[in-house]
Amino acid sequence: QQPVQSPQAVILREGEDAVINCSSSKALYSVHWYRQKHGEAPIFLMILLKGGEQKGHDKISASFNEKKQQSSLYLTASQLSYSGTYFCGTESGTSYDKVIFGPGTSLSVIP
Amino acid sequence: KAGVTQTPRYLIKTRGQQVTLSCSPISGHRSVSWYQQTPGQGLQFLFEYFSETQRNKGNFPGRFSGRQFSNSRSEMNVSTLELGDSALYLCASSCCGVNRQGKVHEQYFGPGTRLTVT
Repeated sequence: QQPVQSPQAVILREGEDAVINCSSSKALYSVHWYRQKHGEAPIFLMILLKGGEQKGHDKISASFNEKKQQSSLYLTASQLSYSGTYFCGTESGTSYDKVIFGPGTSLSVIP
Repeated sequence: KAGVTQTPRYLIKTRGQQVTLSCSPISGHRSVSWYQQTPGQGLQFLFEYFSETQRNKGNFPGRFSGRQFSNSRSEMNVSTLELGDSALYLCASSCCGVNRQGKVHEQYFGPGTRLTVT
């Protein structure tokens, strides 16, 4: 079952923060985050594993709440380069060892 | 290392025809997954191959099939094309498939093949 992402779209000014949420009705093993710029392939950002810690690099981090089957992606002090569509992918007990992606969240950072 | 390559990059076909898409994973990667991407549906999982075996399959009709060769290169075939098959088809390679805990490793996507069915 496809995870749900919110918001569907968001527009930010440079330097502002954003949060993208991903939720599933199934118990999750892991959550994957990817970013895709227009006309390009999705790029891996991070994986959060069940029982693992919050991960992040640079000013992009994420958390994984196993009990609520939710993950959030945090973008701090957004830059123009953060623009793109963010996909979360989930691996759950019913989709063992394959990743099911959400519909995506479009993020636009403007000067 | 060279990235994931897909050929052809663009394809125009007519309804009823069939098409074969090719994907070469990153050297050393043994897992290849295929996804269909459309504006309304996002990334839809088609199937995943590991060491020439299909391990997972999404909810697509039997017209969609694939295979993987001993060098890990993979092909996807769509028979009896329909207008609704128009999409960007992405393949993604992963080094290890599934680890002992059953977790998928990070995937590296190719540029995709843009298929247009008229």
